[in-house]
Amino acid sequence: NAGVTQTPKFQVLKTGQSMTLQCAQDMNHNSMYWYRQDPGMGLRLIYYSASEGTTDKGEVPNGYNVSRLNKREFSLRLESAAPSQTSVYFCASSSGQGNNEQFFGPGTRLTVL
Amino acid sequence: RKEVEQDPGPFNVPEGATVAFNCTYSNSASQSFFWYRQDCRKEPKLLMSVYSSGNEDGRFTAQLNRASQYISLLIRDSKLSDSATYLCVVNGGRGGYNKLIFGAGTRLAVHP
Repeated sequence: NAGVTQTPKFQVLKTGQSMTLQCAQDMNHNSMYWYRQDPGMGLRLIYYSASEGTTDKGEVPNGYNVSRLNKREFSLRLESAAPSQTSVYFCASSSGQGNNEQFFGPGTRLTVL
Repeated sequence: RKEVEQDPGPFNVPEGATVAFNCTYSNSASQSFFWYRQDCRKEPKLLMSVYSSGNEDGRFTAQLNRASQYISLLIRDSKLSDSATYLCVVNGGRGGYNKLIFGAGTRLAVHP
């Protein structure tokens, strides 16, 4: 039981390049989330998917797109990377029933030059 | 004003000390409250939920004061392994789903 997995663990991009961060969970959770974490700031929600087939914007969605490919997988795409998107990205999942625990993946450390 | 505010620390304490962290939140409609722990360069993990009546888990005690919109975490008999960043987390209060608002965290360093 791997929980939440993310790939890649590290990535360096040049400004204007695109990439997709992958996330998968094996806990049969309904809800999945993408956050970014920057120094001195709390985790900020980029996008979430309350259930398979739905996605919604979070607090900081600009510059990102997401796809809930199926119940297990939720990907985050940067179409044209900018230095301001240098951050640590965490994917999380929860059962979606009430206010329950979110389980996080190990994170992706992204640097945009 | 941030929705969830914490003292960033660091709190440097010796082993065996008792240390307390505080957190305030701005959304009075929030219904659920949590403390997460995040080790250096790792993902956050749930430490404990915070209930209105207060709750205890071993050396950890969490308290909630809804009137003052204030949450606390007390750690007794600190261990070296308690060194981490502690994140105060509040449910967004709207939407019925699990939308969490994270504080920036309080860093704890326990030394021998």
